[in-house]
Amino acid sequence: KNEVEQSPQNLTAQEGEFITINCSYSVGISALHWLQQHPGGGIVSLFMLSSGKKKHGRLIATINIQEKHSSLHITASHPRDSAVYICAVISFQKLVFGTGTRLLVSP
Amino acid sequence: DVKVTQSSRYLVKRTGEKVFLECVQDMDHENMFWYRQDPGLGLRLIYFSYDVKMKEKGDIPEGYSVSREKKERFSLILESASTNQTSMYLCASSFLGLNYNEQFFGPGTRLTVL
Repeated sequence: KNEVEQSPQNLTAQEGEFITINCSYSVGISALHWLQQHPGGGIVSLFMLSSGKKKHGRLIATINIQEKHSSLHITASHPRDSAVYICAVISFQKLVFGTGTRLLVSP
Repeated sequence: DVKVTQSSRYLVKRTGEKVFLECVQDMDHENMFWYRQDPGLGLRLIYFSYDVKMKEKGDIPEGYSVSREKKERFSLILESASTNQTSMYLCASSFLGLNYNEQFFGPGTRLTVL
C-alpha cells in the first residue's frame, strides 16, 4: 500500500464543473504539497499547507491533520486546468508522492 | 523566478550506452534532486545532493550514479542503460535548511532505452 493515496486516478469534467481531488496519507508529515504537471512534464507547486485551508484564484486546498486527509478543489473548471495533479507529503524533510490524478476538462 | 533546466526534453538511447542527464539551476540552491516518474508509481527519488561533491542515495539508486562538481549543476549518469530505465526523469532544487524548503522542478527528460 502506498504511503500517499490519491483519488480518483482519472477524472473527466465539463467546463464549469466543480472538481475535487482527494489525498490520504499514512505517515507523519510536517506539511503537504499540491503540484500540477502539464503535458510535457514540468511540475509547478500550487500549494504547500500544514493546516486549515488555502485559496489561490479558483483553486482551494484543505487539510485535516487528524484525519490525514487533504483535498484540492477547482471551482468553475476550464480546459486549461487539464493536467495531472500530484499530492506530495513532507515527511522527515523528504517528499513522498502520490501517483497523481489525471484531470481532463472538456469545453 | 527560479529556473531549473534540463539538457534534453526527449532522449533515445540503446541498451548498454552510457547516458548523461544534466540539470542546471540558477537560484544558488544547495539541494538538488533527481527523480524518476513512472505510471502508477509516482515520483521516486534516485539521488540527491546537498553540496558540491556531496551525494546521498535516494530510494532507487541502483543502476545510477551522480556528479555535482559545481553548485548549479547536477548530473545523473546511467553507466550502462537498460530498457527498464525508460522513464521520465525530473530534476529539482531547493535551499538547504533545518526545515523542508520548497523544491522547484525542471521540465523533465523523457528517456527511451531501446
